[in-house]
Amino acid sequence: DAGVTQSPTHLIKTRGQQVTLRCSPKSGHDTVSWYQQALGQGPQFIFQYYEEEERQRGNFPDRFSGHQFPNYSSELNVNALLLGDSALYLCASSAAGNQETQYFGPGTRLLVL
Amino acid sequence: AQSVTQLDSHVSVSEGTPVLLRCNYSSSYSPSLFWYVQHPNKGLQLLLKYTSAATLVKGINGFEAEFKKSETSFHLTKPSAHMSDAAEYFCVVSDQAATYNQGGKLIFGQGTELSVKP
Repeated sequence: DAGVTQSPTHLIKTRGQQVTLRCSPKSGHDTVSWYQQALGQGPQFIFQYYEEEERQRGNFPDRFSGHQFPNYSSELNVNALLLGDSALYLCASSAAGNQETQYFGPGTRLLVL
Repeated sequence: AQSVTQLDSHVSVSEGTPVLLRCNYSSSYSPSLFWYVQHPNKGLQLLLKYTSAATLVKGINGFEAEFKKSETSFHLTKPSAHMSDAAEYFCVVSDQAATYNQGGKLIFGQGTELSVKP
């Protein structure tokens, strides 16, 4: 049974560029949440997708957007990258009715130069 | 608003000695609390979860945590540390919204780095 998978594992971009990160949830899960983890910090909630809609959003600007597909996989898009967007981006999946119990993928490490 | 405070940024123990990682929480609701572990360059692994069924929660790899409402604490313990326990540990509370299907925002503490000496 595959767990949560994310791609790519690492990414280097320059300021002003746009980036797309991908996540496939654990089998049987239909909810995807995204988190940003800056170096030396705990993860911060970006947003959560369920039934292809954004259900909750953390304190992140509109430059951060997402999408969920009918197969429950998800994308995180970040526009107009800033140096401060350099972080580990974590995807977590969960099941409807138990959305607080989340299983995390290995993350995508983004470096913005 | 819910929050968690991890009282130690770094804990160092010797192999075979007990581990205690401290966490205090703040919540308006009856909270759901979690401990996650993150090994270097890895994702987060769920260690255990408290959801009001029992105050002493047993998790994986010999870890357990006790929910104490009077002290608003949820400390993580292990009787005997192993070298493989060296990692970052996060105490987490679920930000429970009132509406069904809008739960699931996790609020993380700052983390406690556990070092295990041979």
